[in-house]
Amino acid sequence: QQQVRQSPQSLTVWEGETAILNCSYEDSTFNYFPWYQQFPGEGPALLISIRSVSDKKEDGRFTIFFNKREKKLSLHITDSQPGDSATYFCAARGGSALGRLHFGAGTQLIVIP
Amino acid sequence: EAAVTQSPRSKVAVTGGKVTLSCHQTNNHDYMYWYRQDTGHGLRLIHYSYVADSTEKGDIPDGYKASRPSQENFSLILELASLSQTAVYFCASRDRNTLYFGAGTRLSVL
Repeated sequence: QQQVRQSPQSLTVWEGETAILNCSYEDSTFNYFPWYQQFPGEGPALLISIRSVSDKKEDGRFTIFFNKREKKLSLHITDSQPGDSATYFCAARGGSALGRLHFGAGTQLIVIP
Repeated sequence: EAAVTQSPRSKVAVTGGKVTLSCHQTNNHDYMYWYRQDTGHGLRLIHYSYVADSTEKGDIPDGYKASRPSQENFSLILELASLSQTAVYFCASRDRNTLYFGAGTRLSVL
């Protein structure tokens, strides 16, 4: 069963708009949630992450909102730029830092100039 | 300079043939991983290793073997390639909480 779910599968926004990417998870022991960004032809790269003790993490135009009770989180990209067009993966890990990451299926974001 | 290098970048294989995908890292990381990427499934873990000469099964190990002859090198082996193994394969090394991925190998099995 899929431990981490993402929606929508694909999202198109205009340049300057805020893109909202959603993620939910099953396992209540998950306590670390990174988002990875992948450009075509490249491997994913860590974009931003949050731990379950926080409800918000901000890094420039990228913000994670985390709701532990509902086991949901979202990535907000404000003032979206064409260069943000990529696939975004939500991931989750529980237990110790040695635990494996569970990835969602990804959201493909297209930003139209 | 890429710290995780995969080779080849693309490969066409015949059904039933043997395929070896190679990965080399210069990060000096203990943990290395092989993932498979398919549309609609995201990244799924095949095998991983936390020390040379030892490998562990991930979530979808069937049909794959792994080899870790040194800290720097981690290979994925398909002894009898099948059509269902057509996918993009990513190798990664890990430092604490961060995975560092290679650029991927696109494998087509015909």
